[in-house]
Amino acid sequence: EVQLEESGGGLVQPGGSLRLSCAASRFTFSTNWVTWVRQAPGKGLEWVGNIKPDGSDKSYVDSVKGRFTISRDNARSSSYLQMNSLTVEDTAIYYCYCAGYWGQGTLVTVSS
Amino acid sequence: QTVVTQEPSLTVSPGGTVTLTCVSSTGAVTSGYFPHWFQQKPGQGPTTLIYNTNNKLSWTPARFSGSLLGGKAALTVSGVQPEDEAEYYCLLYSGGSWVFGGGTKLTVL
Repeated sequence: EVQLEESGGGLVQPGGSLRLSCAASRFTFSTNWVTWVRQAPGKGLEWVGNIKPDGSDKSYVDSVKGRFTISRDNARSSSYLQMNSLTVEDTAIYYCYCAGYWGQGTLVTVSS
Repeated sequence: QTVVTQEPSLTVSPGGTVTLTCVSSTGAVTSGYFPHWFQQKPGQGPTTLIYNTNNKLSWTPARFSGSLLGGKAALTVSGVQPEDEAEYYCLLYSGGSWVFGGGTKLTVL
């Protein structure tokens, strides 16, 4: 069965950092874009950013530019979301999305 | 920044047909916006129904179809089932990035 699994979420103080991981299995990860999406409590989906299959191109929503960085390791079929200078507005479930598949999400809570 | 607008809510009877739409603030939606449609049920993560206007995934039920209608992206559900009650989101590519619509809550009753 195809799987995408996020990990790395948790509670972090404002101004802190967190690194999320997305591990893929049983499909061709290396030829597909990876997208990160988040959903604040009780809110809709928000596109965070994406990364090209070879990692050479990345895009981000304006609200995270300069703070978040997406990367990938195709040898490990994994993508990463490095989040710095976190604010309470970044509190959300973070999902990775690839080739039509979604992970189950990982909750990031930014609070003092 | 592009704003993508969907109907906040729609209600349909079981067995009926309903069309959800997705509008871009930048103008008419074309295939170049690569419309995607996702379903999300309460307490669950999203699932992909349609990508690039009208392409289905292997798990997309046949009753779901995507199209362009009158300058909008559209998702039509024909022969609605009770299990189709969910939130539906569209996603468009515009101005070098992607933007989700606010979602449509579809009620089946």
